[in-house]
Amino acid sequence: GAVVSQHPSWVICKSGTSVKIECRSLDFQATTMFWYRQFPKQSLMLMATSNEGSKATYEQGVEKDKFLINHASLTLSTLTVTSAHPEDSSFYICSARDHRPGTGGYEQYFGPGTRLTVT
Amino acid sequence: DAKTTQPTSMDCAEGRAANLPCNHSTISGNEYVYWYRQIHSQGPQYIIHGLKNNETNEMASLIITEDRKSSTLILPHATLRDTAVYYCIVRVGHNQGGKLIFGQGTELSVKP
Repeated sequence: GAVVSQHPSWVICKSGTSVKIECRSLDFQATTMFWYRQFPKQSLMLMATSNEGSKATYEQGVEKDKFLINHASLTLSTLTVTSAHPEDSSFYICSARDHRPGTGGYEQYFGPGTRLTVT
Repeated sequence: DAKTTQPTSMDCAEGRAANLPCNHSTISGNEYVYWYRQIHSQGPQYIIHGLKNNETNEMASLIITEDRKSSTLILPHATLRDTAVYYCIVRVGHNQGGKLIFGQGTELSVKP
C-alpha cells in the first residue's frame, strides 16, 4: 500500500507556543488530505479536510484559527496548533487520499500519528 | 454517511478464525463498507472494503449480507499481532471521495 509519513512522531511544547506537524504522501499524489485527533481510549475524530491549493474545510466544533491547515502541494499538508494548551495534548493523525483513481477508486492511507504533549 | 454498530470487545484464541460483526442497517445504495484496524499508538491500517459482493484479500475476508444491512470481517487464522481495534465504516462513493468517519470500533484481543 501507499505510504504516508508524519513529522515529528512526538513533540512536547510549552503552553502558549505553536507547533507544526507535517504530513507527507511519499509515493503518490494526494489531492485531499485529512486531519484527525484521538484522545486516550477514544476513537479518531475528524478535524478537517484539506484540498491542495484551497482552504481547508473544518468539522463542526473545530476552531479553524487554532488549528491552521496548509496543503501547499500534492504531497504535503501541515497542521499548526497555535497557542497550544494542555487540553490540546492528543494524538494527531493525518490521512491522504490517493490521487490515482485506478480500479480501486480513491483509497485513503493513514500516517503513523504525532503525539503532542503540552506542558 | 450511515452509522455502524459494533460490539465493544471480543476475544479470540490464537490460530482460530476471528469473526467481527458490524451492523449498518441504514446503509445507502452508493455507500461502501470499509474495515480498518488500529494497533495501539499507531495510525489506522486499511484491511478491506466492499459494496455488495463478498471480498477476500491477503489479510481478511468480508462477508456482506444480501440486504447489505450487516457485514462480517473474518480473520481466518488470528495471531497475537492481530490484537487491535477494528473499525467498520460506511462511506459514500468509492469514487466520489466521501469522508471516513470512525465509530468506537471493536477491541479484538487474540489470546495464546
